[in-house]
Amino acid sequence: ETGVTQTPRHLVMGMTNKKSLKCEQHLGHNAMYWYKQSAKKPLELMFVYSLEERVENNSVPSRFSPECPNSSHLFLHLHTLQPEDSALYLCASSQDRKDPPGDTQYFGPGTRLTVL
Amino acid sequence: QKEVEQNSGPLSVPEGAIASLNCTYSDRGSQSFFWYRQYSGKSPELIMFIYSNGDKEDGRFTAQLNKASQYVSLLIRDSQPSDSATYLCAGYSYDKVIFGPGTSLSVIP
Repeated sequence: ETGVTQTPRHLVMGMTNKKSLKCEQHLGHNAMYWYKQSAKKPLELMFVYSLEERVENNSVPSRFSPECPNSSHLFLHLHTLQPEDSALYLCASSQDRKDPPGDTQYFGPGTRLTVL
Repeated sequence: QKEVEQNSGPLSVPEGAIASLNCTYSDRGSQSFFWYRQYSGKSPELIMFIYSNGDKEDGRFTAQLNKASQYVSLLIRDSQPSDSATYLCAGYSYDKVIFGPGTSLSVIP
């Protein structure tokens, strides 16, 4: 399998549930990202990992907890979410290069999350 | 705050016409720019990137960059109904990629 994969593709959960989103990249990249995309809003960067180390956390609520066990896998653990957390959650990966053109990100298909 | 701005649209063009999508950015330190296409319900897909002033062509797509004016554009020649999607502009600066809100394009048969 190639590219960036995400599971599950669709998830419906109650506010008291605990679930996890999984992302796997087969591109040999060093950096991985979680984005949130809500309807009619720009992509919101949530977390960035470079070589399995978290390098950015954009003031994301603690009910979202990332985990990066190695450079190919990224998880987003979810607990006690709110209905406004319903969105498309996108994973991306990149080489983490600094020279031009800079860091090209490749996206997975996303997980459509609905919180009831 | 560093921003990437796009007209949200929708931009409607007839089939076969040239679609022109525009993007402005506030950070003069931005080094390169990316254009992504996103179909409804799908994830963004990279179309092309540009980091030098001027034009860069790839098939029916031409990216234009004017760093003095802080302006990036994407031209789509011979537009097809399959080009109907949201187009995201992203700027890369100091290890960060910042996405614009996207422009919705509709190509009318």
